[in-house]
Amino acid sequence: GIQVEQSPPDLILQEGANSTLRCNFSDSVNNLQWFHQNPWGQLINLFYIPSGTKQNGRLSATTVATERYSLLYISSSQTTDSGVYFCALRGEAGTALIFGKGTTLSVSS
Amino acid sequence: NAGVMQNPRHLVRRRGQEARLRCSPMKGHSHVYWYRQLPEEGLKFMVYLQKENIIDESGMPKERFSAEFPKEGPSILRIQQVVRGDSAAYFCASSPAAGPYGYTFGSGTRLTVV
Repeated sequence: GIQVEQSPPDLILQEGANSTLRCNFSDSVNNLQWFHQNPWGQLINLFYIPSGTKQNGRLSATTVATERYSLLYISSSQTTDSGVYFCALRGEAGTALIFGKGTTLSVSS
Repeated sequence: NAGVMQNPRHLVRRRGQEARLRCSPMKGHSHVYWYRQLPEEGLKFMVYLQKENIIDESGMPKERFSAEFPKEGPSILRIQQVVRGDSAAYFCASSPAAGPYGYTFGSGTRLTVV
């Protein structure tokens, strides 16, 4: 099955810093999403991005499908950005979304 | 348009009891997926259902676990004779179809087995 690797596993930032989270995958995908799981356990859908670049406020994401990676950029980080960021993807249509192990982000003031 | 609704939010069961977790997909979504998240771990796929059909149950434990998505009503994940190792957060997601659509997740049910 398709393999998903996220890096770094942990990230500690001061408020205001920028960061880049990476997701590598082993095969072509037709669905890639980035999620944020906040400290209360809720899963927030950040981006649906099987290819290309999208931006939403301080967050943006880029997927280069031909090179099998996706990047999530967080600019001017805030304490509310803390939590776990998951990359999840699906290879073939009709199969389930597979999650990476996540990047745990801690932003301190 | 309500999102994916899961209930209960928290469920406590004694060892040996049955746990029933419910998931109502978003309006217009006919595909439902169940995931389990053990403490300090990522989400693991369990089962993928369409109305009245199980499409993929490759992530479901062979015993004690079952899932259904009837023609009417919510999807149900049933765990019989629960054990302490079943304590986890169970998330449900839905999508409009099997194609390149994003999944929307519910808030999860946190099961604690005492």
